[in-house]
Amino acid sequence: DAGVIQSPRHEVTEMGQEVTLRCKPISGHNSLFWYRQTMMRGLELLIYFNNNVPIDDSGMPEDRFSAKMPNASFSTLKIQPSEPRDSAVYFCASSREGDRSEAFFGQGTRLTVV
Amino acid sequence: GDSVTQMEGPVTLSEEAFLTINCTYTATGYPSLFWYVQYPGEGLQLLLKATKADDKGSNKGFEATYRKETTSFHLEKGSVQVSDSAVYFCALSGANTGNQFYFGTGTSLTVIP
Repeated sequence: DAGVIQSPRHEVTEMGQEVTLRCKPISGHNSLFWYRQTMMRGLELLIYFNNNVPIDDSGMPEDRFSAKMPNASFSTLKIQPSEPRDSAVYFCASSREGDRSEAFFGQGTRLTVV
Repeated sequence: GDSVTQMEGPVTLSEEAFLTINCTYTATGYPSLFWYVQYPGEGLQLLLKATKADDKGSNKGFEATYRKETTSFHLEKGSVQVSDSAVYFCALSGANTGNQFYFGTGTSLTVIP
C-alpha cells in the first residue's frame, strides 16, 4: 500500500485566498483524522471522521475551516479565507477502528499564507 | 477525559547515553498505547505500541512497557545514536472514545557525537 497520500506537499498562498488540502487514506481504513502542527501549539486534532461521518470537529479553529469526506477514499480540508496565522503543517492520518491498530500519517502539507 | 502527559523537552544526550522519556496517561477504559517518532520534515511514524497491560513494545532498540498500575508507558533506549535525533510523541487510543487518538506534546531529542 502507498500509505496515506496528501497533496499538495507545499502550498504558498496570499491572505484571503481559498486553500484546499487533500488526503487519500489507506484502503480499508475507516477512521480519518486531520491534524495541524505548529511550533507554538504542537500537534492539534482538527477533525475526526469515522465511516465518512464527522465525529468530532471541536478542534476546527473557526468557520473559515471546513472538512469533507465524500467517500471512503478521499477527504478535503478547506480554509476560506486564509490568514497568515493559518500557516502550519497539516497532517492527515487514517486507521482501522476496532482492532487497536495505530494511526498512519501522511507526509503533511506545509501551508504558508503570506 | 482521556489524555497523555509526556516529559518536556528538549533533551540533549551524548551518543551511547541511556534515554528515558516519561509518559503517563489518563483513561477510564483500557487504551492502546503508542510511541511515534517524527524526523525533520516528515510525518509521524509509529515507533512501537502496546495494546494491553504488561505488554512490552520494542523496535530499533527502543522499548516501552504498558504499566496499568502506574498508568505509564515510558520510552527507553540503552544507547542512543545521532540518527535517533527526532521528536517523540506518546499517544493513546481506544479507551472510551471510539478510535480517537490523543497525543502528548512531543519531546525533542538531540544526540550529539
